[in-house]
Amino acid sequence: EVQLVESGGGLVQPGGSLRLSCAASGFTFSSYWMNWVRQAPGKGLEWVANIKQDGSEKYYVDSVKGRFIISRDNAKNSLYLQMNSLRAEDTAVYYCASRYPWNYVFPSWGQGTLVTVSS
Amino acid sequence: DIVMTQSPDSLAVSLGERATIDCKSSQSVLYSSNNKNYLAWYQQKPGQPPKLLIYWASTRESGVPVRFSGSGSGTDFALTISSLQAEDVAVYYCQQYYSTPPTFGQGTKVEIK
Repeated sequence: EVQLVESGGGLVQPGGSLRLSCAASGFTFSSYWMNWVRQAPGKGLEWVANIKQDGSEKYYVDSVKGRFIISRDNAKNSLYLQMNSLRAEDTAVYYCASRYPWNYVFPSWGQGTLVTVSS
Repeated sequence: DIVMTQSPDSLAVSLGERATIDCKSSQSVLYSSNNKNYLAWYQQKPGQPPKLLIYWASTRESGVPVRFSGSGSGTDFALTISSLQAEDVAVYYCQQYYSTPPTFGQGTKVEIK
């Protein structure tokens, strides 16, 4: 059974940093593109970033470019999101999600971790 | 970016009745070379992550009940629940994956009348 478990969320002040982690199990992690998708409280879904199987390609939504860094450690079956220069509008539940090999369709999601940016 | 617009924002349907959600994209998501529509549907229940229901506009994900069906092409799509069950109460999202970044509709809340 595919399991994705996020951690690392919490309360952070504007301008601060936070590192999210996602522990994967039940599938061959190193064979899949992995993604972060976020959902602001009471709002819809927004794709944030993804990373290729070997980490050689990374893509970001414009609103986080230059502030967020996605990375992975295939030996530890783990995905990360380093979030810097955080803003109030980054407040959201952050989901880790796998992607089908052929395109941006997300068959498996974690339960999410809440990031709150507030003073 | 491609903008996805769903209608209505919410709807209330009686148990056993049909529910239909519309989704419109700001540009076509039909890829001419393979004649596939790059459109997916997700279901999100309160306190849970989204669940993939349909991709390629009409292909059900494994394990999804047959009462869920997707239709449409180009810029206009629909998700239909043929006979609403109590467990179908949720917010439903369409998503295009024709171009990067992938984008979602604003969501449609389905409730029991």
